[in-house]
Amino acid sequence: NAGVMQNPRHLVRRRGQEARLRCSPMKGHSHVYWYRQLPEEGLKFMVYLQKENIIDESGMPKERFSAEFPKEGPSILRIQQVVRGDSAAYFCASSPGWTGGINYGYTFGSGTRLTVV
Amino acid sequence: AQKVTQAQTEISVVEKEDVTLDCVYETRDTTYYLFWYKQPPSGELVFLIRRNSFDEQNEISGRYSWNFQKSTSSFNFTITASQVVDSAVYFCAPPTGNTGKLIFGQGTTLQVKP
Repeated sequence: NAGVMQNPRHLVRRRGQEARLRCSPMKGHSHVYWYRQLPEEGLKFMVYLQKENIIDESGMPKERFSAEFPKEGPSILRIQQVVRGDSAAYFCASSPGWTGGINYGYTFGSGTRLTVV
Repeated sequence: AQKVTQAQTEISVVEKEDVTLDCVYETRDTTYYLFWYKQPPSGELVFLIRRNSFDEQNEISGRYSWNFQKSTSSFNFTITASQVVDSAVYFCAPPTGNTGKLIFGQGTTLQVKP
């Protein structure tokens, strides 16, 4: 089991360009979460998706950010017209969910470090 | 609303000292989980432990031990005989709401000096 795969590990974009971050969850996991870690700050929830559905996007900035988790393929976090303030580490976590009140935990990817120049 | 507090911003110890990291989780939920993660300088997030509010029994795993006291909402993590490789940022994080999203504490930076 290869774990949660995120790519690229490092991404450099010029202001105004688009950034696409990919996350392939662990096999058998249908729940995906995205978190952002700004420099010198903790991790903040952005969005929670299940296959083909956005369940909770309460942590997503209102503009320029979008996420998807298609039926086939990885989950994508997309940032349009990037600005310097978007520079951060973006982590994806996958989970098998929870049943009967039991939370089976989360597996994190290694993250994508986005630098906007 | 739920609130996670890691009051210790930075801790510095000398190798082989014991160190305890504090976490307080305030919630109205009667049942909940808590996770601890470690983020070493390389940046990845490493899962350490999952505990639930049903179990107040202390848990020990090698040099790590966890003490959970539901009455004070505290969930503390102790490293015995610390090593330089323990240097990292440590986060406690409960999942919240119906979606299970994690809310992370501010993190505690542990520096273990040789």
